[in-house]
Formats: sequence, structure tokens, C-alpha cells
Amino acid sequence: AQKVTQAQTEISVVEKEDVTLDCVYETRDTTYYLFWYKQPPSGELVFLIRRNSFDEQNEISGRYSWNFQKSTSSFNFTITASQVVDSAVYFCALSEAGAAGNKLTFGGGTRVLVKP
Amino acid sequence: GAGVSQSPRYKVAKRGQDVALRCDPISGHVSLFWYQQALGQGPEFLTYFQNEAQLDKSGLPSDRFFAERPEGSVSTLKIQRTQQEDSAVYLCASSSRLAYNEQFFGPGTRLTVL
Repeated sequence: AQKVTQAQTEISVVEKEDVTLDCVYETRDTTYYLFWYKQPPSGELVFLIRRNSFDEQNEISGRYSWNFQKSTSSFNFTITASQVVDSAVYFCALSEAGAAGNKLTFGGGTRVLVKP
Repeated sequence: GAGVSQSPRYKVAKRGQDVALRCDPISGHVSLFWYQQALGQGPEFLTYFQNEAQLDKSGLPSDRFFAERPEGSVSTLKIQRTQQEDSAVYLCASSSRLAYNEQFFGPGTRLTVL
């Protein structure tokens, strides 16, 4: 069965600092997808990024970047130059190719608090 | 365009009562998911519909939980004889036909069972 672990429960930073969120996953599938979602205080989950298991190229999108390493089953996420509006709970999630539809298995989340 | 909507946003039930939670997905989205999110935890999968067909209900915690999507659009999650452990936020998500498109989530229904 698949599993996602986010070891950091809470991270507190001062505005403009970089924040890196760790995510480790377990799956027996060779084809899978990894996601990061943001859940602000309003409660609605917001999609941020998706990566498939065949593409380990790391990318940058605005202030977001991610580091996908299959060898260590990690999918870390970095917010550069954090802002107060980045304060939220961030979830890493996994979807296996064989799963009906594309149901998501979430980690426990990391709460990020950005102080002005 | 309109996103995923859920109603009610908040529901308080006495233990033993039945509740019904509604989800309106994004128009045209084939896939619909229900998740349960306990306080301080990540969402957990409950069930999945493709159009009106319920293809996966492996996450439903007991036979008190029942979901339907009779016309392939609006979905209802029903919980019978609610228990205190059912208190959680129930999230609905929808996605388009394209494989592995991101899921769009609604604001959730916060259920409190007293």
C-alpha cells in the first residue's frame, strides 16, 4: 500500500526566508504521480504542482521549486523568499497509476507560519 | 467559472442522527471524490465516482457511510446513526476526463457530532 510521510509538523520562518518542506513516499508501483497542495486557513485545498515518476527533472515555477529523487523516494518542495500569504498547511500527496481514477494518498501536512 | 461547492459548510448533529452532505462538482467533470479530514491530519480517501458509477468505495469506514451520484453530477454523502468519531471535515473534489489532472477541491463540510 502507498504511504506519504511529512516528518515536519510545523515550520516557522520570518518573511523573505526560504522554506523547504520534506516529503517521503512509499509505493510498489513504477508509475505514479506526486503532488503538493496548499490548505490556507479558509480550508480549501489548492493544487500547486504535479510530477510523474518518469520525470525527475527539477523545476522552478515562480517562488516554488521542487526536488524529486526516486532513489530516496523524496519529493521536497521549496518556497523562496517566503511571504506572509504563504502561511498555510502544505500537503504532499501520491497517486498510483493503477488506482481507480486518481485517488490521492496524503501526508499528514506541514504547517508553515511566515511572520512579518 | 464556478468551482466545487459543498453544502452545508457546517453541520452539527446529535449522536445517532442521520446527515446528508452535498457536493456540486465543476460542470463537466467526470470524476468525483470524497475525502475525510480529521483535525490536524491529512485528508483520507473515502470513495470515487466516474460519472454515476461508484468505482471505488474502499475508504468508507463503515456501512453507516453511503454515497451516491445518480445523474453523474451532484453527489451526496450520507452518514447514518452518526458517532462522535465521524466528526471531521468532509471534502469533495472533482477532476476532468484527462488522466491525472489535478483535483479541484471544495471548501468542505465541517461535521461536528455531539
